[in-house]
Amino acid sequence: GESVGLHLPTLSVQEGDNSIINCAYSNSASDYFIWYKQESGKGPQFIIDIRSNMDKRQGQRVTVLLNKTVKHLSLQIAATQPGDSAVYFCAESSNYKLTFGKGTLLTVNP
Amino acid sequence: AAGVIQSPRHLIKEKRETATLKCYPIPRHDTVYWYQQGPGQDPQFLISFYEKMQSDKGSIPDRFSAQQFSDYHSELNMSSLELGDSALYFCASSLGLKEYEQYFGPGTRLTVT
Repeated sequence: GESVGLHLPTLSVQEGDNSIINCAYSNSASDYFIWYKQESGKGPQFIIDIRSNMDKRQGQRVTVLLNKTVKHLSLQIAATQPGDSAVYFCAESSNYKLTFGKGTLLTVNP
Repeated sequence: AAGVIQSPRHLIKEKRETATLKCYPIPRHDTVYWYQQGPGQDPQFLISFYEKMQSDKGSIPDRFSAQQFSDYHSELNMSSLELGDSALYFCASSLGLKEYEQYFGPGTRLTVT
């Protein structure tokens, strides 16, 4: 079936560095893509989203890039901080439901 | 700002018992979604309700049922619990069928022994 997946299960970076988390999706009919951050014991927290008719969207310290040609999504976090340590999920939206990809654990070393 | 409320936060049950999880959406939100997240897994969509009617169904076992009430809160009923049902159960809500604008609750951790 359709699925969303991540290339890297873990990512370790130094505080202050930029982080890039990648995601591949397979459903070309998806109209929204969302990145969530999930801290231990908590629910997913919305970070940023992007519509399928866009290729880039910027937020505060975060940027999402969408490449529909290769069905690839990435989340860039600038100046990564210890508080950014969490599991990050991409999700695609279609037919009124979200399909999550496998999470990437981001660890920020001080 | 008010968030999604789930209760209980933790629940321990034995095999073959039943469990009821409750979700109170953000005020004015009329759509509720339920997800199951196993250890180290991504959240899996179970079921959703919009204006008290089931709007979509995912990988929800037949042993589970859910409903949304007139005040928009929702309950997930789980019967004949199995060890494999141990997971985090998240509820999310949105205003209208905007699955891309879901706000998640803190989850209920269900442990089946």
